[in-house]
Amino acid sequence: SQQGEEDPQALSIQEGENATMNCSYKTSINNLQWYRQNSGRGLVHLILIRSNEREKHSGRLRVTLDTSKKSSSLLITASRAADTASYFCATVGQAGANSKLTFGKGITLSVRP
Amino acid sequence: GAGVSQTPSNKVTEKGKYVELRCDPISGHTALYWYRQSLGQGPEFLIYFQGTGAADDSGLPNDRFFAVRPEGSVSTLKIQRTERGDSAVYLCASSLNGVGYEQYFGPGTRLTVT
Repeated sequence: SQQGEEDPQALSIQEGENATMNCSYKTSINNLQWYRQNSGRGLVHLILIRSNEREKHSGRLRVTLDTSKKSSSLLITASRAADTASYFCATVGQAGANSKLTFGKGITLSVRP
Repeated sequence: GAGVSQTPSNKVTEKGKYVELRCDPISGHTALYWYRQSLGQGPEFLIYFQGTGAADDSGLPNDRFFAVRPEGSVSTLKIQRTERGDSAVYLCASSLNGVGYEQYFGPGTRLTVT
């Protein structure tokens, strides 16, 4: 079953613009991770934010987490054509030491040159 | 260093046949995961190993699916009596030590059951 729901499902922007993608989840989490996937194959880890963190940055990426609203957002600044991909949020549950990821359905981002 | 590798990259098999999919995790990673991804969907969890033991196999869809990790590194996902509904990309990931660590994914094996 999918825990996360990303919003929007598809996003098309011009190169240089910022892209904001949102994710909501249902149950308490240990951490939330964002991944990028090109061409339907391997996923690339972008950033991990723990439940006691509110914001993290990595290069052009900024992730926020609001555990009271059970939501997260991924901001990509100054987008490039190479950012075109599918983006997934995934959560690790709070219970015990189980570290399996529960993914959303993903957001398709298209960056027009 | 080497990432997670998976073999084969593509596998076409006939309905009813047996298949094995292999995953080589990053050296030193104790946790290994299998996921399955259908077209247009996010990956779905199948099974998770911590060392040699399956810590959680709740995602395996039925008893035709089985996975092993006998020496705590390489893992094999085995599917018996394949069905057309098993067609998907099977993804393997590893992490340093489970909870709190990012997972590194392999390129996947695209399984097609005809």
